[in-house]
Amino acid sequence: GAVVSQHPSRVICKSGTSVKIECRSLDFQATTMFWYRQFPKQSLMLMATSNEGSKATYEQGVEKDKFLINHASLTLSTLTVTSAHPEDSSFYICSARNSGGSYEQYFGPGTRLTVT
Amino acid sequence: QKEVEQNSGPLSVPEGAIASLNCTYSDRVSQSFFWYRQYSGKSPELIMSIYSNGDKEDGRFTAQLNKASQYVSLLIRDSQPSDSATYLCAVEGIESGGSYIPTFGRGTSLIVHP
Repeated sequence: GAVVSQHPSRVICKSGTSVKIECRSLDFQATTMFWYRQFPKQSLMLMATSNEGSKATYEQGVEKDKFLINHASLTLSTLTVTSAHPEDSSFYICSARNSGGSYEQYFGPGTRLTVT
Repeated sequence: QKEVEQNSGPLSVPEGAIASLNCTYSDRVSQSFFWYRQYSGKSPELIMSIYSNGDKEDGRFTAQLNKASQYVSLLIRDSQPSDSATYLCAVEGIESGGSYIPTFGRGTSLIVHP
């Protein structure tokens, strides 16, 4: 149980284009999902908290107009990187918290984004 | 600013030994504590959660929490080379608005050598 999927696992896009990443909780409902970014050999950085049916809460320094988050159902949240630039290249990871359970969060496998 | 501190390591232990990983946190009212394992190039995987003072054991892993000292640790018994990874400590407390937001440490790199 507690499986979270992410799609795509790897994406290469050209500078200026947009990329959408999907995060799904497969066997539980998730009122809350989190989006993280991790640069090589660095720690996880929380980008935003996504709550089903409401606007995402962004961490300080994260541009909400650049990183669009939608959490339309209890099992799906999406992150869209708009007008991507090479400095957006990173490992993007989502996690989901079981609505009916504990405070534990379960991570998806991550999406490696490369912007050329 | 809430802080979670971990020694970056690497912590090197021989196979079969006990590995001890430590974490301190700044927010005294934190309520939930987690240990995650992250292999290179992969996403974190939950190992243990602990919510009250004392020890919690799960197989070869034991989490220890001391809220008075704002300290949480993870012991790995009979360490195996496959345990070599980065171990992340995460701490949560209730935020304004009623939500629980995790704060992660930078992680401790563990190397278990044969």
